[in-house]
Amino acid sequence: EAGVVQSPRYKIIEKKQPVAFWCNPISGHNTLYWYRQNLGQGPELLIRYENEEAVDDSQLPKDRFSAERLKGVDSTLKIQPAELGDSAVYLCASSLQGFGYTFGSGTRLTVV
Amino acid sequence: GESVGLHLPTLSVQEGDNSIINCAYSNSASDYFIWYKQESGKGPQFIIDIRSNMDKRQGQRVTVLLNKTVKHLSLQIAATQPGDSAVYFCAENIPNFGNEKLTFGTGTRLTIIP
Repeated sequence: EAGVVQSPRYKIIEKKQPVAFWCNPISGHNTLYWYRQNLGQGPELLIRYENEEAVDDSQLPKDRFSAERLKGVDSTLKIQPAELGDSAVYLCASSLQGFGYTFGSGTRLTVV
Repeated sequence: GESVGLHLPTLSVQEGDNSIINCAYSNSASDYFIWYKQESGKGPQFIIDIRSNMDKRQGQRVTVLLNKTVKHLSLQIAATQPGDSAVYFCAENIPNFGNEKLTFGTGTRLTIIP
């Protein structure tokens, strides 16, 4: 089993540019999560999907962040425009009925 | 490689010794707890979990203890190995009528000294 697959692994962009991250969850996992992890801290939830529905996006900065999970499988997280403070590791995770959380390796974003 | 945390609490243990990592959680209503291990450049990896109706659970070389009275969780790693060096996070699941949220602690950096 491939696990949760994320791409790209690293991304360096200039501020005000757009960026997108992609996640393919474990096959059969209905719940998908996007987390942000700042240096020296634990991951913080940005958005949670149950199938294709975003059921918790209360921590997603909606002025510049957007996400989608078309067909309830893979997902993309977008930032437009990026700011310096968005530099972090963006983690995707999936689970089955809320258990068995499995994380991907993350995308390290550096905004310069 | 990437450094996950530069200002985390740290613990150094001699190889072969046992280690104990502690975690204080925030919400008395939390019903499920997970310990994760995060190596440099990787995502968090599940180690062991425990439900709130238990006070101890054992895995291979790892034991989690839960003290609900003082909202404290600990991870014991027996006979530590160099590969155990990583940042360890505890996470609590806060129930919320179907909108549960997994909240992570700050993390502890464990270094195994050969």
